[in-house]
Amino acid sequence: SQQGEEDPQALSIQEGENATMNCSYKTSINNLQWYRQNSGRGLVHLILIRSNEREKHSGRLRVTLDTSKKSSSLLITASRAADTASYFCATVGGNNNDMRFGAGTRLTVKP
Amino acid sequence: DAGITQSPRHKVTETGTPVTLRCHQTENHRYMYWYRQDPGHGLRLIHYSYGVKDTDKGEVSDGYSVSRSKTEDFLLTLESATSSQTSVYFCAISGGPAELFFGSGTQLSVL
Repeated sequence: SQQGEEDPQALSIQEGENATMNCSYKTSINNLQWYRQNSGRGLVHLILIRSNEREKHSGRLRVTLDTSKKSSSLLITASRAADTASYFCATVGGNNNDMRFGAGTRLTVKP
Repeated sequence: DAGITQSPRHKVTETGTPVTLRCHQTENHRYMYWYRQDPGHGLRLIHYSYGVKDTDKGEVSDGYSVSRSKTEDFLLTLESATSSQTSVYFCAISGGPAELFFGSGTQLSVL
């Protein structure tokens, strides 16, 4: 079964607003990553947060990780129409060899 | 797409026929992965490789086999294709338990 579960499944906001997506997972992890996928394309890596980190920033992206709750959130600030895409969390487990993805959040940013 | 090529990009085949998808990388990365993506399921790991001739099963490996005889090539074979294997298949590569780089995907239709 999938390791990560994103919430919500779909999110629609206006340009300039912030978008928050959540990810929950089931087992212990070494790191958690967020990816973006534009329609019909492969996934693109956005940010990685290690299990001993609680927060990380990259440009307009902010990721938090709460290992006690087995959850992570991705915040996109000041969203743009070009941020419209699907966003996936992925977890790397104890054996460091495989990466499991959630079902994704479909973000629509209206101009 | 980070030196990773999938072939073919599109394939239509009939139930019961064998199908082989190819992933080729020029990055000399150790890890290679095959995922399938279906609506509502996100990406699910089929098989992965952590070196030449070293492979392991993912979460949806039934009906699939893989081979890696060279660092640069990772083949996914459907021995006898079924309609349930209609999907978009993505290959990904990684130098370690960190970010994945994805290919552009192969759309496979089994009629």
